[in-house]
Amino acid sequence: KQEVTQIPAALSVPEGENLVLNCSFTDSAIYNLQWFRQDPGKGLTSLLLIQSSQREQTSGRLNASLDKSSGRSTLYIAASQPGDSATYLCAVPSGGGATNKLIFGTGTLLAVQP
Amino acid sequence: GAVVSQHPSWVICKSGTSVKIECRSLDFQATTMFWYRQFPKQSLMLMATSNEGSKATYEQGVEKDKFLINHASLTLSTLTVTSAHPEDSSFYICSARDRARPYEQYFGPGTRLTVT
Repeated sequence: KQEVTQIPAALSVPEGENLVLNCSFTDSAIYNLQWFRQDPGKGLTSLLLIQSSQREQTSGRLNASLDKSSGRSTLYIAASQPGDSATYLCAVPSGGGATNKLIFGTGTLLAVQP
Repeated sequence: GAVVSQHPSWVICKSGTSVKIECRSLDFQATTMFWYRQFPKQSLMLMATSNEGSKATYEQGVEKDKFLINHASLTLSTLTVTSAHPEDSSFYICSARDRARPYEQYFGPGTRLTVT
């Protein structure tokens, strides 16, 4: 059974710092991995999707890496801003299929202090 | 593009009543929609998978007679919480899979249900 965990559970940094969020999954036979952002009381916004054949994906100040063999992904946020404050979730499709249901990680609550 | 809406955004109901939540894909056809529940400071837990024109598939531990799901069209799925109790109070989020891009899910803004 696939399990997804994220560390740290919470993180507080001053504005301008670079930071790394971690995501671990127990079954390395994944088709892809997705990072989401969730603002308080809101739905999810997709940030990056990495296919299993890719090592990383970049979007603006965000860079996500994937190491399938070790069951890990990281989300790197450069030059953090107060607007980056949110909960960040990673998710993988269950059972190795591309269109299977998503298994979500436990989330990292990020607070960027101005 | 790829917008999913939910209605209502929040609802308060009395214990014992039923509440219906709608999930719509606004600019794409969704053959599959998913319903999640999220308790405070917890991650999303999948409740059921809804395929257009067929019965929903419920996750283990989710009562199908309590959480009725209907996916009558390619753009609309509904979740009805029947005989709601305070422990059903939660944040309900739906997502939809684009028929043309089946590898991604697009999430709705969520519905906050409070049962008094």
